[in-house]
Formats: sequence, C-alpha cells, structure tokens
Amino acid sequence: GDSVTQMEGPVTLSEEAFLTINCTYTATGYPSLFWYVQYPGEGLQLLLKATKADDKGSNKGFEATYRKETTSFHLEKGSVQVSDSAVYFCALRDNTGGFKTIFGAGTRLFVKA
Amino acid sequence: GAGVSQSPRYKVAKRGQDVALRCDPISGHVSLFWYQQALGQGPEFLTYFQNEAQLDKSGLPSDRFFAERPEGSVSTLKIQRTQQEDSAVYLCASSLLSRDRGEKLFFGSGTQLSVL
Repeated sequence: GDSVTQMEGPVTLSEEAFLTINCTYTATGYPSLFWYVQYPGEGLQLLLKATKADDKGSNKGFEATYRKETTSFHLEKGSVQVSDSAVYFCALRDNTGGFKTIFGAGTRLFVKA
Repeated sequence: GAGVSQSPRYKVAKRGQDVALRCDPISGHVSLFWYQQALGQGPEFLTYFQNEAQLDKSGLPSDRFFAERPEGSVSTLKIQRTQQEDSAVYLCASSLLSRDRGEKLFFGSGTQLSVL
C-alpha cells in the first residue's frame, strides 16, 4: 500500500541555519503531497502542498518540490527561527478514489536562539 | 463553527469500559476522517465518511471500533471493551470537497484516551 517515510528526529539547529527534512513516498497512483506542522499545544495544520510532479509548494519561507523521479518531497527553509520549533509531518493523499491522507511518523525540530 | 471541535479533550477509561468520542466538523464540510496517533508517531488512518456514508473503514483495528455520522455532520467514534493498546490521541479531520487534489484537512485538537 501507499506509504510515507521521513527522516527521524529530533533535528536541532541554531537560529538562521538551513533546514532540510527528507521525505520519500511509495504510491501506486498519482498522489498529492503535503507537509503538515504541529506547533506545541496546537493541532495539525497544513504548511504547504503540491498536487503534481515538479510543482513547488511554499509557505512561511518553507519550500518543497514534488519529485516524481525520486519519489521525494523534501522540506527546506533557508533560515530557521525559534518559532519554527514544531513537529513536521509529510503526507500523501490518494487521488484514485480512496481520498484518505497517509502521514509519515513526523520529525521534531528544535531551533535554539 | 470556527473549527473542528472534539470532546472530551481527555478521557481516562478502565480496561473493558466502552468509550464514545465526539467530533463536530466545520459546518458544510462533506468529508470527515478519524485518525489514531500513538505517542511519537504520525496519525494513522481509521475511517472516512462522505456525508453520512462511511466509504472506507479499512483502518479500524478491530471490530471493537465503530464510527458513525448519521446526519452527515457530527460523528462519534465508539470503542467497546477498551484495551491498554487503545491508549492514543484520536484525531478528527474534515474537508470541504472530496475530489480536489489539493484539498487540505482541518484537524481538531484531538481526544487523548488513556486506558488503565
């Protein structure tokens, strides 16, 4: 079945460092790809998305490109802030009729001042 | 309402007890999903409703788990004869349309279930 694998955390960075969180997927169809974020004490919320190959999703300085050839959707940010500390979940949505969204295990990010 | 509302926020049950978890989705949202999130893990799909129809229940771990959405709005997840392995956060999510490739999920804050 469809699945998502993302790098294990925690990831600890200093403020203004470059961030990459790796995500790869397995899917039989042509899924949509998402990054969701969970800030401390809050519910999951959408960070960015891409619906087809080569699309780039972006929001709040974060970016991810849908790479069909490498089945990847890595999350990047050029300069992280303390307020980016959160858990990040890579996810895919089955578009072949099932409609469910499948999540990776999550990667916790700590940003130090 | 302004967002997806779940109740109770916390539930402690003795092993063998039945529990009912409620989800109030955003008004007008067609799709409703239940997920189970164990500590340190990502959400695991349980079941999906489109209006009142339960179209996918492939993620329900056993026949002790049952979900309903009788009028196409509020949904209840029921767990019978709870076991310790049922301890987790149960998340509800809703979305407006079921066929938009970029459709996002709106999540509630979850119900944290602890089975003693």
